[in-house]
Amino acid sequence: DTGVSQDPRHKITKRGQNVTFRCDPISEHNRLYWYRQTLGQGPEFLTYFQNEAQLEKSRLLSNRFSAERPKGSFSTLEIQRTEQGDSAMYLCASSYRTSGANNEQFFGPGTRLTVL
Amino acid sequence: KNQVEQSPQSLIILEGKNCTLQCNYTVSPFSNLRWYKQDTGRGPVSLTIMTFSENTKSNGRYTATLDADTKQSSLHITASQLSDSASYICVVTVSNSGYALNFGKGTSLLVTP
Repeated sequence: DTGVSQDPRHKITKRGQNVTFRCDPISEHNRLYWYRQTLGQGPEFLTYFQNEAQLEKSRLLSNRFSAERPKGSFSTLEIQRTEQGDSAMYLCASSYRTSGANNEQFFGPGTRLTVL
Repeated sequence: KNQVEQSPQSLIILEGKNCTLQCNYTVSPFSNLRWYKQDTGRGPVSLTIMTFSENTKSNGRYTATLDADTKQSSLHITASQLSDSASYICVVTVSNSGYALNFGKGTSLLVTP
């Protein structure tokens, strides 16, 4: 399977615990994105990387959230001191930057986080 | 504020029937518009993409239209199947910013036997 993969697919944690999610993009893609999606809503942008550089962070990304892409390949998203409001689907997407208009993003299956 | 509004919020149709989903946007400057299909518990999958100069794009039983003047798009599903049950999300990209996707809230479609 050469698509975007995410791990784990589901995570249940207690409030106050730290969690870390992993995303493996399509291998030749140099851009990687993180989104959060709550029930009945469209995905909301959190952050994105071009290679290993984190180029943009949303205001939604509080200081409890941190994302890394150390070698420009896979990425991790860590949430510290989780809160019930962090319960959501966390989606990862990747794309290959081109000069054209179609920087299509390919999405992974998501990690469903439930904070009790 | 860039916004993407979709209607209806939800829709139930009988298998075999056609339906049309609507998307209005105020995103500027416009680069392209995509329709994604998202099955429950899965990530979105791209159905169509249209740039400013394109009026229509088809992908099998899915046909998307775009009116860049009125900033409206529609997704028409022909001869619906049970597997079409999903959320359909309209996504508009800001020009020259490949990451700046503006997502609608989606239309939840249920196709019943």
